[in-house]
Parts: sequence; structure tokens; C-alpha cells
Amino acid sequence: DSGVTQTPKHLITATGQRVTLRCSPRSGDLSVYWYQQSLDQGLQFLIQYYNGEERAKGNILERFSAQQFPDLHSELNLSSLELGDSALYFCASSASPGDSTDTQYFGPGTRLTVL
Amino acid sequence: GENVEQHPSTLSVQEGDSAVIKCTYSDSASNYFPWYKQELGKGPQLIIDIRSNVGEKKDQRIAVTLNKTAKHFSLHITETQPEDSAVYFCAASGYSGGGADGLTFGKGTHLIIQP
Repeated sequence: DSGVTQTPKHLITATGQRVTLRCSPRSGDLSVYWYQQSLDQGLQFLIQYYNGEERAKGNILERFSAQQFPDLHSELNLSSLELGDSALYFCASSASPGDSTDTQYFGPGTRLTVL
Repeated sequence: GENVEQHPSTLSVQEGDSAVIKCTYSDSASNYFPWYKQELGKGPQLIIDIRSNVGEKKDQRIAVTLNKTAKHFSLHITETQPEDSAVYFCAASGYSGGGADGLTFGKGTHLIIQP
């Protein structure tokens, strides 16, 4: 158990809908990262937050957004969902302020299915 | 941006034999190289990592080597056991444009330990 928690574990929804995925980092960690894992694209970095502020952006679509709250939990919002958004979404956390050599610990993931 | 290539995509070895997985990266600014193990239905679990100021690191049956000149790094597992069967991912991370980046992952290696 990495100490990173994610809810829900599974999510099934329809095209065009909006969903919110939630992540709580390990105790004491200030950075949260979101990743998408799909069969064709593999594991891809979406976005990073540090202590409430956006720190880095990866291959995140404009339909997707995220935020980190004062209690350090983070939410990833996915809107206008398409079939191709079906994937596993992972959250990871690390301790330091976005040092690129910092160890990232992954949560168990949320499996999103768009029908 | 960074690009990480990983080989082989599937590796089958006899129990007790050694397994080697190789990765190359493109961005010479990358300075952190973790390896993750992912079992079915779970999130990636860090098994070992190496930073650019060392060439080799070992933890019991697992070792990682890094050649910064050639921009490649490898995972070595000795005395393989059935519980080593999983998908293994290499990754690279480094500063880009003044901010910390998320990890760039290889496509993964499915390691199968034959009894």
C-alpha cells in the first residue's frame, strides 16, 4: 500500500458527460501528479500540482482540468467525455516541491469506462 | 520533450534465471530514472530508482545500471521467482523549461516467469 488513495475505483458513464476523480496524497506529501494509462498511449503524464498551485502540464486535453485543495487532496475533472477517454487514471504524490528527482508513489487508480 | 524506448515488450525466463530489461532516453537533461512494477488491477509500484550522479544501484535481487553518455539504463533481476511476473515500466524525469516535469514512461515489459 503506497498511502495514496483514489476514489472511485470504477466509474461507468456515457459520452458527453462529466466526471470527477478524487485523490488523497500520502501524509506529508505536497505534490500531486495525474497520469492516464491506456492500451494505445501507455502511461502519460497529465498535470502536476504543488501545494495548491499548478506546477507542470503534460498531455492534458482542454476538456480536462484539475485542482488541489487546501487539505492537499486533488480532483481531476473530465468533461464532454468521449469513448477514447476510457482508461485508467492514476494519481501519484511526492514530498518535495516538484524536484524532478523526487520519488513518486502511485495510487490504485480509477478505471473510467465511457459508453 | 523526452522520449523513452523500452525493450523487450515481452520477456519469458525460467524460474531462477536472470532477466534484463533495457531502456533508452532522448533528453540529456533527464536526471532521475525509476523502475515500476505493475500487477494486474493495481497501480505502478516503485521497485528501484537511480539518479544521474551514480552508475549502478542494487537492492537484493534487483539492480539498475545507468550509462549517461549512451543515454540508456537497464533493470537486472537475478534468481527470478514466480512473484516477479508482472509488467515493468522504466521512466525518466528531468527539468524542462524551468519547471519540474512528470515522468515519461516506456511502453512496458511483460515479464513471465516459467516454473
